[in-house]
Amino acid sequence: QKEVEQNSGPLSVPEGAIASLNCTYSDRGSQSFFWYRQYSGKSPELIMFIYSNGDKEDGRFTAQLNKASQYVSLLIRDSQPSDSATYLCAVMRRDDKIIFGKGTRLHILP
Amino acid sequence: DTGVSQDPRHKITKRGQNVTFRCDPISEHNRLYWYRQTLGQGPEFLTYFQNEAQLEKSRLLSDRFSAERPKGSFSTLEIQRTEQGDSAMYLCASSGGDTPLEQYFGPGTRLTVT
Repeated sequence: QKEVEQNSGPLSVPEGAIASLNCTYSDRGSQSFFWYRQYSGKSPELIMFIYSNGDKEDGRFTAQLNKASQYVSLLIRDSQPSDSATYLCAVMRRDDKIIFGKGTRLHILP
Repeated sequence: DTGVSQDPRHKITKRGQNVTFRCDPISEHNRLYWYRQTLGQGPEFLTYFQNEAQLEKSRLLSDRFSAERPKGSFSTLEIQRTEQGDSAMYLCASSGGDTPLEQYFGPGTRLTVT
């Protein structure tokens, strides 16, 4: 089992709808969880991080964490064409090493 | 510009040659990470530093890879005797200061081994 798993997609979502991206992780001791956005040919940029169970909202983005289920998700409300990118889930382990998933390609349909 | 910088942005080298990349982190950041990313994959952890101390090196790395951060500021990543399989984007990221969990990436160095 890979440490961080994401569906590679592509995930196609109509403009204005909610995009839901999911991630599971294997190390129960993991402490912090991150979502990055990566446009083609660019480096990853941090969207938000979460370390407590529940929801964390930042503008159109909401991260959700369920440590019991080892599951973290990202919701993007009112999706825009500019949200089309690859979304990377990353997990910080107890040794502070950060492990990335392969990413989910998101395509917002105009 | 106070972001993470990397040099060079692109490097083409012949198999068997040595290459060295540089990363300058955000000035107040004490942690510096190196990753490698190939097409369709997420960044793969290589190594990281806290100040000048190298805390961990991926078991995926062979002895051909070495990294240094001599004064706890910039870092270098050297690949000796490059192989075609080393072709990838090499990313540097830093974190620390008032927001220790927020990791910021540089633009990367794209390595092509011919």
